[in-house]
Amino acid sequence: GAGVSQTPSNKVTEKGKYVELRCDPISGHTALYWYRQSLGQGPEFLIYFQGTGAADDSGLPNDRFFAVRPEGSVSTLKIQRTERGDSAVYLCASSLSGRNTGELYFGEGSRLTVL
Amino acid sequence: GESVGLHLPTLSVQEGDNSIINCAYSNSASDYFIWYKQESGKGPQFIIDIRSNMDKRQGQRVTVLLNKTVKHLSLQIAATQPGDSAVYFCAEGGSYIPTFGRGTSLIVHP
Repeated sequence: GAGVSQTPSNKVTEKGKYVELRCDPISGHTALYWYRQSLGQGPEFLIYFQGTGAADDSGLPNDRFFAVRPEGSVSTLKIQRTERGDSAVYLCASSLSGRNTGELYFGEGSRLTVL
Repeated sequence: GESVGLHLPTLSVQEGDNSIINCAYSNSASDYFIWYKQESGKGPQFIIDIRSNMDKRQGQRVTVLLNKTVKHLSLQIAATQPGDSAVYFCAEGGSYIPTFGRGTSLIVHP
């Protein structure tokens, strides 16, 4: 069975460039999360979708970060004018409903390196 | 600051021993906690959860204990195996968004 799929697995870009990271959740999962994880740290929440809408985007660090989920399945995290501090592993997770459940299914992450 | 945190960054055990990973939380209103395991190069994997109306929950080789009085929870792994080597995170579940602490690295020596 397919788990959460994230592409690319690795992305190296230059400071100032635009990047897109894609997440393909488990089929039928309505809740989708983006987290960011720096080395030696726990995952840091960015944004949560319930269906097509962003139910909570309070974790997005600034307006360079944006995420969409137009059809309620695949999601894309977009980062404009990348900075070296954006370097991290970006994790996507999905769950059946999102409501008071910790059973999130994570992908293996997209490692972003900004030179 | 973080709402959950772990006491030790690294825990080393011998294969076959029991492991105990501890976690403290600060919000007395927290009512749901989750433990995750993260192997190198992979995303976190759900292990077990517990709600505040319970003080103990058991899974396969794992037990989570919750002490609401001192705002502390622990993950106990019985008969630790090399495959248990990973970073373990406790997370506070809240209503929709799990909030993770920094993690404890469990190293199992054969």
